[in-house]
Amino acid sequence: AQTVTQSQPEMSVQEAETVTLSCTYDTSESDYYLFWYKQPPSRQMILVIRQEAYKQQNATENRFSVNFQKAAKSFSLKISDSQLGDAAMYFCAYNPGANSKLTFGKGITLSVRP
Amino acid sequence: DAMVIQNPRYQVTQFGKPVTLSCSQTLNHNVMYWYQQKSSQAPKLLFHYYDKDFNNEADTPDNFQSRRPNTSFCFLDIRSPGLGDAAMYLCATSRDLTGRNIQYFGAGTRLSVL
Repeated sequence: AQTVTQSQPEMSVQEAETVTLSCTYDTSESDYYLFWYKQPPSRQMILVIRQEAYKQQNATENRFSVNFQKAAKSFSLKISDSQLGDAAMYFCAYNPGANSKLTFGKGITLSVRP
Repeated sequence: DAMVIQNPRYQVTQFGKPVTLSCSQTLNHNVMYWYQQKSSQAPKLLFHYYDKDFNNEADTPDNFQSRRPNTSFCFLDIRSPGLGDAAMYLCATSRDLTGRNIQYFGAGTRLSVL
């Protein structure tokens, strides 16, 4: 069975600084997808970024980028120039290529200090 | 514009009193999912519909049922809520069941059981 591990329950970052959120996963599949979802307090969960396992290039979306280390099964999220609106719970998630069932990590609560 | 809408946002019910949570979508997606998310935990998939085909997760209690009368709507029925069913319930959609799909989430319904 696939597992997703987020070992840090909380992190804090100063506004305008950079923060990295860690995630590791375990799978025997060769085709899969990895996601970071953001869940702000009392608001809907939204996709931050997606990585396809067969792509070597790390995904980027504006201030958000990932460090995808396939051999190490590591998938960290870097947030640059942190903003107050980045404060939220962040979930790392995994999909096998064959179906869309997401396996989530336990999440990390990110706070941003003004 | 909201694409996945959950009603109500907050629901209070009594122990053992049946309750129905509602989800609608404007994305015309084939798949609709229901997740249970307890406080500060990862969302846990309860079941999903692919079109009219219902797929229950193996560990979803019989107390939880679902209906999808048409493409746009999906309901979560809890037949006899217990105190342990108090949680946030998230609805999500995706275009199909392949792993590359992004899931779009509603804002959730927070259920309290008295």
